[in-house]
Amino acid sequence: QSVLTQPPSASGTPGQRVTISCSGSSSNIGSNTVNWYQQLPGTAPRLVIYSNNQRPSGVPDRFSGSKSGTSASLAISGLQSEDEADYYCAAWDDSLIGRVLFGGGTKLTVL
Amino acid sequence: QLQLQESGPGLVKPSETLSLTCSVSGGSISSSRYYWGWIRQPPGKGLEWIGTISYSGTTYYNPSLKSRVTISVDTSKTQFSLKLTSVTAADTAVYYCASRSGSLTQFDYWGQGTLVTVSS
Repeated sequence: QSVLTQPPSASGTPGQRVTISCSGSSSNIGSNTVNWYQQLPGTAPRLVIYSNNQRPSGVPDRFSGSKSGTSASLAISGLQSEDEADYYCAAWDDSLIGRVLFGGGTKLTVL
Repeated sequence: QLQLQESGPGLVKPSETLSLTCSVSGGSISSSRYYWGWIRQPPGKGLEWIGTISYSGTTYYNPSLKSRVTISVDTSKTQFSLKLTSVTAADTAVYYCASRSGSLTQFDYWGQGTLVTVSS
């Protein structure tokens, strides 16, 4: 079980807005920035949100991120079929000697 | 932009050492701008960070793998490498190399990944 907790699945219809949550603790999300990755089937992960709410070049503005306390969220508005993928949150954890943590992943289905 | 490509054996026997190399192009491997990392993904499961190395050679390892992992950089060959010793079936995964230029978990560029199976 991952230290960063994500719902295993989420779904929406085209055009809808969906959110994916990522819950952590004071030693990770509570004290460090959160990044989000999209993984299309059979491909490598792709960074879609960095530093909690910043979009890399090339990522549609339909993707947005937020963080509050020890939780973070990824929102996708105007859902499209091409958004169907696995999404992972990531944060540094300051406990022990430090480590990169990934959430368990959320499979987004576009109905 | 950076391009990364993993290479190495696709099959490793139990108790042996897994060795992978990541070739980097489109940027300098010795640049202070980049850190270099390895992440793996067992079949049908989520992502697990293995470790990261800085341009100066400082390493950061996942505590759960630290005793078995070595990451190194070969600037002359524009490559960085992963060695994982005493492998078991639990180490079967797709292994990705990636570059980090921002925060500690901001991996901007990824290789396509390579499947390594541990089996006799």
